[in-house]
Amino acid sequence: DAKTTQPNSMESNEEEPVHLPCNHSTISGTDYIHWYRQLPSQGPEYVIHGLTSNVNNRMASLAIAEDRKSSTLILHRATLRDAAVYYCILRPTSGSARQLTFGSGTQLTVLP
Amino acid sequence: DTGVSQNPRHKITKRGQNVTFRCDPISEHNRLYWYRQTLGQGPEFLTYFQNEAQLEKSRLLSDRFSAERPKGSFSTLEIQRTEQGDSAMYLCASSLAGSQYTQETQYFGPGTRLLVL
Repeated sequence: DAKTTQPNSMESNEEEPVHLPCNHSTISGTDYIHWYRQLPSQGPEYVIHGLTSNVNNRMASLAIAEDRKSSTLILHRATLRDAAVYYCILRPTSGSARQLTFGSGTQLTVLP
Repeated sequence: DTGVSQNPRHKITKRGQNVTFRCDPISEHNRLYWYRQTLGQGPEFLTYFQNEAQLEKSRLLSDRFSAERPKGSFSTLEIQRTEQGDSAMYLCASSLAGSQYTQETQYFGPGTRLLVL
């Protein structure tokens, strides 16, 4: 299965944009890229997903490289509530497609 | 609250005891997942139900673990003869069938934190 690589931790100042990178150099052509986040003492929550085009929703934006070997989750204006572990996950169309395969994620710290 | 609920939220038990956790998914969701998360790691898949059928089990799900979803609604996860290594957060998630797995969104509960002494 294709794997993802994320930095262990990142810091951001409150009210500034945050760019969270994810490398997935072995991604297959039909694998979707999903992002979840996990706030302290909570279960993960869905953030956004995409295939090839950049995607926007109320929580974040997802920028996908043209070769699809990397992607970036963008929080346009970080708040203290955005402090969480962010997971970049590939959803394949074959094999163990049903479950989410989490890595260690990126721990985002937001500084006031 | 119409989200995924899990009970209990915390459980402390002694080694060798049996424990059972319950998950109530979002009402119209017919897919249900169990994951386990240890400190500092991402969640790991344990098992998956579509309606009442258990369709997939991870190698992590030893024979001491059993999960059921008798009427396709709530689910229970039982651990028999608990060991200290079973200490973890047990997460339940649900999703709506009809979406392709590649685009599926899973909704997680708050988890049950188990401590085995």
